[in-house]
Amino acid sequence: AAGVIQSPRHLIKEKRETATLKCYPIPRHDTVYWYQQGPGQDPQFLISFYEKMQSDKGSIPDRFSAQQFSDYHSELNMSSLELGDSALYFCASTLRRRDTQYFGPGTRLTVL
Amino acid sequence: AQTVTQSQPEMSVQEAETVTLSCTYDTSENNYYLFWYKQPPSRQMILVIRQEAYKQQNATENRFSVNFQKAAKSFSLKISDSQLGDTAMYFCAFEGGADGLTFGKGTHLIIQP
Repeated sequence: AAGVIQSPRHLIKEKRETATLKCYPIPRHDTVYWYQQGPGQDPQFLISFYEKMQSDKGSIPDRFSAQQFSDYHSELNMSSLELGDSALYFCASTLRRRDTQYFGPGTRLTVL
Repeated sequence: AQTVTQSQPEMSVQEAETVTLSCTYDTSENNYYLFWYKQPPSRQMILVIRQEAYKQQNATENRFSVNFQKAAKSFSLKISDSQLGDTAMYFCAFEGGADGLTFGKGTHLIIQP
């Protein structure tokens, strides 16, 4: 069965640079969620989109923005990167809101 | 805001034994969902089991079952006939009024051969 696809899988950036993470949900899934998992931490909810509109917002820094496109893929844009942004970033998708979330493999971001 | 507490940072059992992971939560919501996710060394987040709060019957998935006590706000995971491949971090998660999942801090489960 098709799963959530995230790209790139690994990303290395310098401080103050920008990064864009991409997420392709499971086919027919219309809701996308972004999570950040720091080293040794539990995942923290950042933001979600339903039918291309922002649905809910968690602990997403103002330096980050995200959107969902007409084909339901989503992109997380991160600017002015800080060392503390180094983490594993997960995307998850559901067939509809409040359904079981299926996670992608994550993008490991390292900020030097 | 809801909170999820996993009081066992690490557990270790022998292969083939049964192990129970604890989870408690706090919420004012009446309709919500509870999950257990497994995160092996690959860091992939894998759904283990899901429980709807309105269902009294405990969810089961093969060797995995839950003990859901709504009044006590408790949601424990039992793994029967544990296998080496069960070694992973296990996260309890809550989904209520907001979209995002709220996770506990996790329990690192080690299955010894």
